[in-house]
Amino acid sequence: KQEVTQIPAALSVPEGENLVLNCSFTDSAIYNLQWFRQDPGKGLTSLLLIQSSQREQTSGRLNASLDKSSGRSTLYIAASQPGDSATYLCVINNNDMRFGAGTRLTVKP
Amino acid sequence: GAVVSQHPSRVICKSGTSVKIECRSLDFQATTMFWYRQFPKQSLMLMATSNEGSKATYEQGVEKDKFLINHASLTLSTLTVTSAHPEDSSFYICSAGLGAGGLTDTQYFGPGTRLTVL
Repeated sequence: KQEVTQIPAALSVPEGENLVLNCSFTDSAIYNLQWFRQDPGKGLTSLLLIQSSQREQTSGRLNASLDKSSGRSTLYIAASQPGDSATYLCVINNNDMRFGAGTRLTVKP
Repeated sequence: GAVVSQHPSRVICKSGTSVKIECRSLDFQATTMFWYRQFPKQSLMLMATSNEGSKATYEQGVEKDKFLINHASLTLSTLTVTSAHPEDSSFYICSAGLGAGGLTDTQYFGPGTRLTVL
């Protein structure tokens, strides 16, 4: 059964820093991997989707990578802003959706 | 972009009553929708997969007679929490896939419904 782990569980950085969030998974036979952000009490916002055949995706200040062989994905956030403060979830799709526990990010002004 | 709505956004009910939550894909058709719940300070957990025109597939440990799912059309799935109890209080979120209907579809999530059972 697919297990998804996100490290760190929480992260606090000053505004302007570049940061990396990590996601690891145990079963490399995935269809795709998505990164979401979740604001407190709200639903999920899709950030980036990486298909199984891709190695990375970029959107603005965000870059997500995928290494299936090692069971890892990273979400890189450049020049962090206070508005980036949220919980970031890694979701693996291999015939169903498996969620990591999330990384709670706080960007201090 | 693809939009998924949920109604209601918040509901408070008495123990023993039933509550229906709607999930709609507003500008696309979704053969499959997913229902999740999130308890405080925990990650989202998949409850069931809702397939249009057929029975839902429930995850282990989720009571199908308690959480009734109906996927009546390609744009609407409903989750009914029957005989709700305080331990059912949670944040319920649905998602729908946008694409060819396959497993590579991007998932779009509804805004969620916060259920509080008194």
